[in-house]
Amino acid sequence: DTGVSQDPRHKITKRGQNVTFRCDPISEHNRLYWYRQTLGQGPEFLTYFQNEAQLEKSRLLSDRFSAERPKGSFSTLEIQRTEQGDSAMYLCASSSAQGQDVTQYFGPGTRLLVL
Amino acid sequence: RKEVEQDPGPFNVPEGATVAFNCTYSNSASQSFFWYRQDCRKEPKLLMSVYSSGNEDGRFTAQLNRASQYISLLIRDSKLSDSATYLCAAIFSGTYKYIFGTGTRLKVLA
Repeated sequence: DTGVSQDPRHKITKRGQNVTFRCDPISEHNRLYWYRQTLGQGPEFLTYFQNEAQLEKSRLLSDRFSAERPKGSFSTLEIQRTEQGDSAMYLCASSSAQGQDVTQYFGPGTRLLVL
Repeated sequence: RKEVEQDPGPFNVPEGATVAFNCTYSNSASQSFFWYRQDCRKEPKLLMSVYSSGNEDGRFTAQLNRASQYISLLIRDSKLSDSATYLCAAIFSGTYKYIFGTGTRLKVLA
């Protein structure tokens, strides 16, 4: 399977704990994006990388959230001191930086529940 | 006002019906537009990109109206399997991130 993969698929944690999610993009894609989706809403942008550079961050990404893509391949999203409001589906997507095609392809998501 | 807006529905239509959704956007500098399909508790899957000249893929037709700042999706001969949420996404000038609408729920009834 050469699509975007995410791990874990589900995470249940207690309020105040730290969690880390991983995303592996499509191998030839330079751009990697993180989104958050809550019930009844469309995905909301969090941040994106081009290679290892984090080029844009949303105001939604509070100081408890940090994302990295150290080698320009996989990325991690960490949430520190989780709150119940962090419960959501965290989606990763990737796209090519070559040519005109800016289409993003999504991974299966990590569903987070904070108790 | 949200940057990308959709009627959340639900749209309940009988099998075989034709249904159309619109999605309006507020940023006239928007560059690229897409329709995604999302099944319950799954990730969005690309349905089609939306080109200025309009494009068709089987029973699905997408149109872009830059003057009125909306995109549309037309589904002909609806199937039960078309039941899903349809998300529109826009990329605004100067960025590569998507701005999504809330999605429109479609239920095709037997």
